[in-house]
Amino acid sequence: SFDLTQPPLVSVSPGQTASITCSGDRLGSKYACWYQQKPGQSPVLVVYQDNRRPSGIPERFSGSNSGNTATLTISGTQPMDEADYYCQAWDSSTTNWVFGGGTKLTVL
Amino acid sequence: QVHLVESGGGVVQPGGSQRLSCAASGFSFNNYAMHWVRQAPGKGLEWVAVIRSDGDKKYYGDSVKGRFTISRDNSKNTLYLQMNSLRPEDTAMYYCAKDLAKLGIAAGLDNWGQGILVTVSS
Repeated sequence: SFDLTQPPLVSVSPGQTASITCSGDRLGSKYACWYQQKPGQSPVLVVYQDNRRPSGIPERFSGSNSGNTATLTISGTQPMDEADYYCQAWDSSTTNWVFGGGTKLTVL
Repeated sequence: QVHLVESGGGVVQPGGSQRLSCAASGFSFNNYAMHWVRQAPGKGLEWVAVIRSDGDKKYYGDSVKGRFTISRDNSKNTLYLQMNSLRPEDTAMYYCAKDLAKLGIAAGLDNWGQGILVTVSS
């Protein structure tokens, strides 16, 4: 089966750059997307097709995907960015969408 | 403004059935694939199923394959999830979500409902 692995926790100081990774076999050959979920709220798409931002998502959110790793980068991280982040990709061999286990981003 | 409202949740006994609905508004429902995604209490997101915009193609996660059925009624702008042979591990918040494209593969889920809780317990 196709699995996506994320670090459980990433910490960053306000104003600094946060990088959250997502690893999977040949992930770079698939499209990756990223979701932000705050406590008690529904997920929000922040990056799709590796590096595209939906309308309304701040420019400080960006993505990349190469080899076996996709990365969500948050530049100038703000306290409001503290949330859980999930990567997701479509695996055509199993015809399944797969989520990573999630990363809790703390801003302190 | 896209609006997705789930309904049909509640408490159901193990082995029982439940049907979830998702009423969609604010966009051309018949032009987009639709998904169900669930989240067990305190856990991460788990993709459940997707249906293409025309309803002709459906894909399921391994944990629900053969038990759950996704469907849609484009005349009513409504998405459904029929859940049979429910197990305690199916207990979760169930979200319906709109895909960015028609096919439901390789794009992303750009709008989500507020979710509906399904509890499987005796």
